[in-house]
Amino acid sequence: DTAVSQTPKYLVTQMGNDKSIKCEQNLGHDTMYWYKQDSKKFLKIMFSYNNKELIINETVPNRFSPKSPDKAHLNLHINSLELGDSAVYFCASSQRSLTGGENTGELFFGEGSRLTVL
Amino acid sequence: AQTVTQSQPEMSVQEAETVTLSCTYDTSESDYYLFWYKQPPSRQMILVIRQEAYKQQNATENRFSVNFQKAAKSFSLKISDSQLGDAAMYFCAYRSASWNTGKLIFGQGTTLQVKP
Repeated sequence: DTAVSQTPKYLVTQMGNDKSIKCEQNLGHDTMYWYKQDSKKFLKIMFSYNNKELIINETVPNRFSPKSPDKAHLNLHINSLELGDSAVYFCASSQRSLTGGENTGELFFGEGSRLTVL
Repeated sequence: AQTVTQSQPEMSVQEAETVTLSCTYDTSESDYYLFWYKQPPSRQMILVIRQEAYKQQNATENRFSVNFQKAAKSFSLKISDSQLGDAAMYFCAYRSASWNTGKLIFGQGTTLQVKP
């Protein structure tokens, strides 16, 4: 079973279109993230949700809107796509520290979704 | 703000030899995690090794080990007995132990080539 799964893996679309990427994790984690990897392979966080609550919102255009219907899902919707949005988008999850619990601190990543805007 | 720097864009190593990838970071926090992730051409992000800042002992995972120098804010990765399958991009990453700001901050990455 895939721990963090993203769909679609590849997405090719025209400028101006709206698209969504879905993410699901079956690890029982309570925190999920979206990262963007640009053409130079640099990874930067976009958003983070903890138990459906937005906790990290980096400087991202308003055209990007995350939605977390429950703690196992975090979707990313992008409006009015631009050429510069072409990138690989990674979903990840982790477990927030609980009192008395062991936490490894690591993030578990999905396989990434390559978005190409023409 | 925390930053992570990998000063080696590319490295190469002969199969079966040892290579060390460098990473430095900047933080004012005392409690944090450090990681090395591997990204092969398949683009999957794979955790190689982790280090908790409060632990003085350097982490080791089979052929992978780190040299963690907390005072110098240095966290290098040593790969021993390099194998062709080690060829990938390697990212050093920092994470605060404070969960409200617990995002993973990545370095620029180092592409490792393994020569047969």
